[in-house]
Amino acid sequence: GQQVMQIPQYQHVQEGEDFTTYCNSSTTLSNIQWYKQRPGGHPVFLIQLVKSGEVKKQKRLTFQFGEAKKNSSLHITATQTTDVGTYFCAGQRNNNDMRFGAGTRLTVKP
Amino acid sequence: DSGVTQTPKHLITATGQRVTLRCSPRSGDLSVYWYQQSLDQGLQFLIQYYNGEERAKGNILERFSAQQFPDLHSELNLSSLELGDSALYFCASSVEIAGRRDGYTFGSGTRLTVV
Repeated sequence: GQQVMQIPQYQHVQEGEDFTTYCNSSTTLSNIQWYKQRPGGHPVFLIQLVKSGEVKKQKRLTFQFGEAKKNSSLHITATQTTDVGTYFCAGQRNNNDMRFGAGTRLTVKP
Repeated sequence: DSGVTQTPKHLITATGQRVTLRCSPRSGDLSVYWYQQSLDQGLQFLIQYYNGEERAKGNILERFSAQQFPDLHSELNLSSLELGDSALYFCASSVEIAGRRDGYTFGSGTRLTVV
């Protein structure tokens, strides 16, 4: 079963509003990755976080890895219609097992 | 173009039939992963190969099998197809550095429709 939980499953926002998706693991992760899948497209790698408490930014996107390396978040500031898609987290455990979250589908109303 | 090539892009077949999906990984990537994505669902991990050897198995049915060839391309074989097997099948590849995987590069997927 899914061992990486991601919430919310769906998020609908007005353009310009912020958006956050959360990823939680039942076990400590060695690293976590984030992907974006546009409607009708394939998942595209966004970023990888490795260190406890790590924060990385890509323009309006902010990625965080929790201190215990069990949770992560992706925050988008001032969403745009181009942000539409499904955002997946994927956590790797020390035994090399990589698990994807179920994804958060973001829709943006112009 | 992501560098991972999947063929065919679309496949329509009847129940009970057998199909083969093909994947060429990005140049230099030794690991190949297969995922199944049903309509509006997440990514279900099927199987991983690393440099020709099976590395990990996920929720792969016994009717499904895969292999990775010496040139590193991989094939996913789906047999005795059922309506419920209709889905997008993605192949991804990656490198591993000191046991840690780099980001996956996904192909564009094969959309399988079983009628």
